[in-house]
Order: sequence, then C-alpha cells, then structure tokens
Amino acid sequence: QKEVEQDPGPLSVPEGAIVSLNCTYSNSAFQYFMWYRQYSRKGPELLMYTYSSGNKEDGRFTAQVDKSSKYISLFIRDSQPSDSATYLCAMNGNTPLVFGKGTRLSVIA
Amino acid sequence: DAGVIQSPRHEVTEMGQEVTLRCKPISGHNSLFWYRQTMMRGLELLIYFNNNVPIDDSGMPEDRFSAKMPNASFSTLKIQPSEPRDSAVYFCASSTDISNQPQHFGDGTRLSIL
Repeated sequence: QKEVEQDPGPLSVPEGAIVSLNCTYSNSAFQYFMWYRQYSRKGPELLMYTYSSGNKEDGRFTAQVDKSSKYISLFIRDSQPSDSATYLCAMNGNTPLVFGKGTRLSVIA
Repeated sequence: DAGVIQSPRHEVTEMGQEVTLRCKPISGHNSLFWYRQTMMRGLELLIYFNNNVPIDDSGMPEDRFSAKMPNASFSTLKIQPSEPRDSAVYFCASSTDISNQPQHFGDGTRLSIL
C-alpha cells in the first residue's frame, strides 16, 4: 500500500459546482496536511495548510482532516474555470513531504 | 518577494550529453529539495539538503545523477550521461525546515533527452 493514495481523475464539473477532492494515507505519524494546486507547465503552489484534525476555510476552499480515518478532503465551492488544474495532497510528520499523485480537475463554463 | 528560480525552463539534448539544472531557493530558506515529475510516477523526491548539506539522496535513481549545494543561494542537479528515460519535469523546492513546513516550488525544468 502506498503511503498516500489519491484518485488521479480526471474530474470534470460544470461551473458553480461543489468539488470534493480526497486523499487517504497509511502513516499515522503524519500531522501536517497540505493541498497544492498545479497549473499546466507551472510548479505546485501551496493552497491550504492544516495541522492535525479539523477544518480550515479560506474563501471558496475548505480543507478537512480526519486523522481517525486517515482521510483528508479539499472542497471547492462555486467552482470557476480558473480552478481547472491538478490538485496534489501532501503530508508529513518529522519527515519531508509525501505527495499524492494529484487529481486533474476541469471546470467547464 | 522572489520565489524559487530554476533554469533553464526547457532543455532538449541528445542522449549521452551532460545536463545541468540550476536552482536558486527563496532567501532565508535553509532546506532545498529536488523532485522529478512524470505522469506515471507523479512527484518523486530525489535528494534534499539542509543548511547546504545533503541529508538524503536515496531517491536519486542512479549514479548518473548528482546534486550539489555550494552555498545557501544555489544548487545544481547534474545528469551525466543523460538517457531518454530521464525525460521529465524537474522541480526544485525550498522551505524553512526539512519537515513540518510547506515547501515552495519553482516552475521546473522540462527536460527532453532525444
């Protein structure tokens, strides 16, 4: 079993939809959880950064961490065509970041 | 503020040639990471440095790959000799710590070995 599992998609939704992106992990030592957004031909950029379990909201984005289930989610409300990108989850705990493979999202106008 | 700067952005070369990729981390960041990204394998951590010292190079695929960090503002990743299977996007990232802190990425070098 890989340390971090992420459905690669692609995921295609209409503009305005709520998007749910998810990752599961196996290492119970992970404490820091991040979501990165990567546009085509660009580097990953940090979108959300959370510590331990709970929710964090930033504008249209909400990150959720459930450590008991080893499951993290990113929700995007009122999705826009500009949200079309690959989203990578990442996490660590006293180790360098471990990344999921990324989910490719397309928001159709 | 300047982010992580990588050069060149694109590199096309023939098999057997030496390739050198360059990275300037964010000022004040003391940890630097080199990654390779492909469709099949995603982001793979190749090597990382802390305070200019290599900490773990277990991700380097073969002895043909080497990396150096001669000072806090510059690092290189070298492939010699290059092979077609080395074709990928190579990213450099920096952070204030090896772990438990976000990493900030450059825009990568797209490498094609013919």
